[in-house]
Amino acid sequence: DQQVKQNSPSLSVQEGRISILNCDYTNSMFDYFLWYKKYPAEGPTFLISISSIKDKNEDGRFTVFLNKSAKHLSLHIVPSQPGDSAVYFCAASAGGATNKLIFGTGTLLAVQP
Amino acid sequence: EADIYQTPRYLVIGTGKKITLECSQTMGHDKMYWYQQDPGMELHLIHYSYGVNSTEKGDLSSESTVSRIRTEHFPLTLESARPSHTSQYLCASRRYWNTEAFFGQGTRLTVV
Repeated sequence: DQQVKQNSPSLSVQEGRISILNCDYTNSMFDYFLWYKKYPAEGPTFLISISSIKDKNEDGRFTVFLNKSAKHLSLHIVPSQPGDSAVYFCAASAGGATNKLIFGTGTLLAVQP
Repeated sequence: EADIYQTPRYLVIGTGKKITLECSQTMGHDKMYWYQQDPGMELHLIHYSYGVNSTEKGDLSSESTVSRIRTEHFPLTLESARPSHTSQYLCASRRYWNTEAFFGQGTRLTVV
């Protein structure tokens, strides 16, 4: 049962344009969401997060949008740069008794110069 | 900067050997996690811990075991390695359920 899904395995964009990465979740108990960037043979690095009490959070070129009713979040990167090329994972967690941190399937972003 | 370390970075070992992958963090985080990732695939949660003497199995069944005797240390052990255990193993920690998790560099395990 895949609780966090990223339906696009890959995305290619031109340098300077916007990259939009999408993520869907099924567990309504999730209320904290994160985006990570990962290069091969390295650990993921944290990019940005959002709590369920918000619908938007910005940090520089990165903006995360949350639509709770649709159980959907997205990461916008503007402007995209070649150094942004990596695999992006969304992740979700819930408070309470469980402290699991569940990751999505990942999207490979390629930013073309 | 994250202060979480995994050793070794790379390990090639023969079938049937016992191995322990080390993970240590100096941030005083209670919550720690182990993930398994095959190339190009998702991160599967295999073990997690709320604190000392607490460990839980994750969503992906794993033949590995973990222990949490000290806050800073969360080792993963395979009693008898098999080629199917070949994968990248990633360790992470965080302070609260609604804060970011920091990852180590990972251990690339190859069982021959």
